[in-house]
Amino acid sequence: SQQGEEDPQALSIQEGENATMNCSYKTSINNLQWYRQNSGRGLVHLILIRSNEREKHSGRLRVTLDTSKKSSSLLITASRAADTASYFCATAPSQGGSEKLVFGKGTKLTVNP
Amino acid sequence: DAGVTQSPTHLIKTRGQQVTLRCSPKSGHDTVSWYQQALGQGPQFIFQYYEEEERQRGNFPDRFSGHQFPNYSSELNVNALLLGDSALYLCASSLTARTDTQYFGPGTRLTVL
Repeated sequence: SQQGEEDPQALSIQEGENATMNCSYKTSINNLQWYRQNSGRGLVHLILIRSNEREKHSGRLRVTLDTSKKSSSLLITASRAADTASYFCATAPSQGGSEKLVFGKGTKLTVNP
Repeated sequence: DAGVTQSPTHLIKTRGQQVTLRCSPKSGHDTVSWYQQALGQGPQFIFQYYEEEERQRGNFPDRFSGHQFPNYSSELNVNALLLGDSALYLCASSLTARTDTQYFGPGTRLTVL
C-alpha cells in the first residue's frame, strides 16, 4: 500500500510561474524525499529533508516538512519546460525497518512554454 | 562514474512464464532495492538485498524472489507471471542499506500477455 498522497494529481502552469506540490503521509518517518520521473523512466533524486528539519533549499527547489501535520510541500520556482515530469514524495518510515522507501502516487506537472 | 544499470530495457512474456531482471548498482554502492511501478502509480517496494541477503520485504508474494551476487549486482525473478505483473521494475542502489539517497536505474518495462 502507498503511504503518501500527493496533491494535486496534475498541475499545468506557464513557464516562469511557480509550482507547488503537496504530500501527506501516515506514519512517523526518518526522512522524506522528493523524486522526479520523466516519461515513465527512472527516478531522479531531488532533495531529502530529515524529520528534525523544517525547510530545505536546493537551487530552484524549496521543501518544507511539518511532522505534526504529516505533510510536506515542494516548491519549484521560475519553472521551465524541462521541469515537465511526474514528481513523487517518498518517506522512510521510522518503524518496521528503515530499509524501504514508501512512495505516493505522484503529481504530474506540465510546464507550458 | 557508472550509474545504476538495468537489463533488459523491455520484455514481453506470456502468463505462466518466468522472468529474470538484472541490476548493477552505482559504483561504490553495496545495497540494491527493487520496486514495482504500475502504470499511473508510485513505485512499491519489493525487497532489498545487502550482503547477499534479503533484508526487508514488501507485500509481494513468494513468486517474487531475488539474489545478490558478491559484486553487489542483483537479480529479480518472477515466477508464474500474471497479467497484473505488467509494470516498470526499478532497481535502486544505496550505501549500506540506508534510505538517505537511493539512486535509481532506468527500469525494465515488463509486459505480460
